[in-house]
Amino acid sequence: KAGVTQTPRYLIKTRGQQVTLSCSPISGHRSVSWYQQTPGQGLQFLFEYFSETQRNKGNFPGRFSGRQFSNSRSEMNVSTLELGDSALYLCASSRGQGMPDTQYFGPGTRLTVL
Amino acid sequence: DAKTTQPPSMDCAEGRAANLPCNHSTISGNEYVYWYRQIHSQGPQYIIHGLKNNETNEMASLIITEDRKSSTLILPHATLRDTAVYYCIVRVGGTGGFKTIFGAGTRLFVKA
Repeated sequence: KAGVTQTPRYLIKTRGQQVTLSCSPISGHRSVSWYQQTPGQGLQFLFEYFSETQRNKGNFPGRFSGRQFSNSRSEMNVSTLELGDSALYLCASSRGQGMPDTQYFGPGTRLTVL
Repeated sequence: DAKTTQPPSMDCAEGRAANLPCNHSTISGNEYVYWYRQIHSQGPQYIIHGLKNNETNEMASLIITEDRKSSTLILPHATLRDTAVYYCIVRVGGTGGFKTIFGAGTRLFVKA
């Protein structure tokens, strides 16, 4: 069974630009969650999508947004990039229903904002 | 805030058992304990989970205290490749979805 895939793996942008990251979940998984990881803040929850609907959201500004498609693939968008947005962005997929609900993580996208 | 607390770092000799503790004193009855590890900023790797019974798989064992306020992850024969940051989290969900809060984790150093 293929794991969670994320594209691109590395990205360099400049301040003020916007960026879109993509995540393909494990086949059959309907929930996709996004996380930001920085050395100072650790792993922080951004949002969770299930069946094309955002079900949960972390404490991030509105510049961070996401969406999920009917095939459960998800994209995350960051507008008006700031230097502090440099981070490893991780997505994780799970069935999204019932417990236990185990998340499996992708390899991440390393975003550098110059 | 994270619902779990872990020591920031631990050492273990190669070939010995690594015992990583985790406190989750505010855990509620339907919350599962999960363990992940992260090596060199790769995506976290799922290790094991449990509710109240001890669990074992090919990677590790999970011991949960009877009151469920703490747990221990055991790597029976640590190798150098087990050097990583280990995260203990609690996870619960329902129709309202899931929201997983990670703490700082424990950095395990396995030494030859």
